[in-house]
Amino acid sequence: SQQGEEDPQALSIQEGENATMNCSYKTSINNLQWYRQNSGRGLVHLILIRSNEREKHSGRLRVTLDTSKKSSSLLITASRAADTASYFCATDASFGNEKLTFGTGTRLTIIP
Amino acid sequence: GAVVSQHPSRVICKSGTSVKIECRSLDFQATTMFWYRQFPKQSLMLMATSNEGSKATYEQGVEKDKFLINHASLTLSTLTVTSAHPEDSSFYICSELAPLGNEQFFGPGTRLTVL
Repeated sequence: SQQGEEDPQALSIQEGENATMNCSYKTSINNLQWYRQNSGRGLVHLILIRSNEREKHSGRLRVTLDTSKKSSSLLITASRAADTASYFCATDASFGNEKLTFGTGTRLTIIP
Repeated sequence: GAVVSQHPSRVICKSGTSVKIECRSLDFQATTMFWYRQFPKQSLMLMATSNEGSKATYEQGVEKDKFLINHASLTLSTLTVTSAHPEDSSFYICSELAPLGNEQFFGPGTRLTVL
């Protein structure tokens, strides 16, 4: 399977704390994307980082990419109860067929 | 981001019946759409790539005769689960590929329960 791995599988933190999730993948990529999924709902695109980028910010989100280690991290700062969701990384391979391979996901619970 | 709708949002059917799920692109014309399946507490698995005006491309292990995909217009792709069985119960999500770049916009998903 080419599916990526995410860790931790589940994470519970107090509101206001920072949450860090990690993603590892197996093949060379064009870019890596992070998505959020609330329970039983569709996916919301959070951020895209290209293979030649190392770090990207969007609001309270910070994403890093280390292509030498084939890994990425998503940091959510100053977490809120509304951040409770599952988070998935997704990669598209460098041979450019635009298909996404999703990681296993991290279930984040923010405790008010 | 772009808006993608799916219909129905939930469907319950008897074993042996066929179910059609629609995926509509509301903001732009999508030549490429994707269909995913997600089992409870698992990740999304790509089933097939839907190309407007041509046959869909199925992932390994996905039966094309069981999961019929039609992408007859630039704003609509349909997935028909034929002769559904309980093991087909799942969350089916479509996405559309943005005209420029690699971003995909996802529909809200369809929960299929086969009794």
